[in-house]
Amino acid sequence: EDQVTQSPEALRLQEGESSSLNCSYTVSGLRGLFWYRQDPGKGPEFLFTLYSAGEEKEKERLKATLTKKESFLHITAPKPEDSATYLCAVQANQAGTALIFGKGTTLSVSS
Amino acid sequence: KAGVTQTPRYLIKTRGQQVTLSCSPISGHRSVSWYQQTPGQGLQFLFEYFSETQRNKGNFPGRFSGRQFSNSRSEMNVSTLELGDSALYLCASMQSGVGGDTQYFGPGTRLTVL
Repeated sequence: EDQVTQSPEALRLQEGESSSLNCSYTVSGLRGLFWYRQDPGKGPEFLFTLYSAGEEKEKERLKATLTKKESFLHITAPKPEDSATYLCAVQANQAGTALIFGKGTTLSVSS
Repeated sequence: KAGVTQTPRYLIKTRGQQVTLSCSPISGHRSVSWYQQTPGQGLQFLFEYFSETQRNKGNFPGRFSGRQFSNSRSEMNVSTLELGDSALYLCASMQSGVGGDTQYFGPGTRLTVL
């Protein structure tokens, strides 16, 4: 069964304290891995798509990496405005375009 | 470009009623997917429509249905509402490009069933 697990469930950081979020997946053929950010009461906001092991993408303080079994979202020198829930999702070959989501990591950054 | 829009943003219904939610995708996007988000189960795929045809379906009961119109706008219907249907319903508009598909989400419709 296709599955996505994110850890930790919650993460509290001080402003400027870098860290990483983990997304482990088991799928029957990976079509793509996606990272989204979701603020309370809003829809998920697209961040990155990764397609093959070794691929990396960056945007401001965020960097996403992909291996054959997991993905990391590295947050460098976070700011309070980076506080949100970060969702990881995969598209599997046998599931068409449906996204299979993890439960998310809720990040809180305090100044 | 305008983003994905969903109406209404909030709905309160009672058990046994039915409800219709609407989604307008990003201009030029022909695929619309629907997801249910609850605190316990997270985000779960309901179904996808492409060119007015259901192309993919998740593991939800037949009370959940949808359709897509020729202008790519989509509606989702839930009949005989149950308390457990209370959730944030999200619509995603998909752009297919070289190397894969990217889904862009709307703000969601918050459904409360009393």
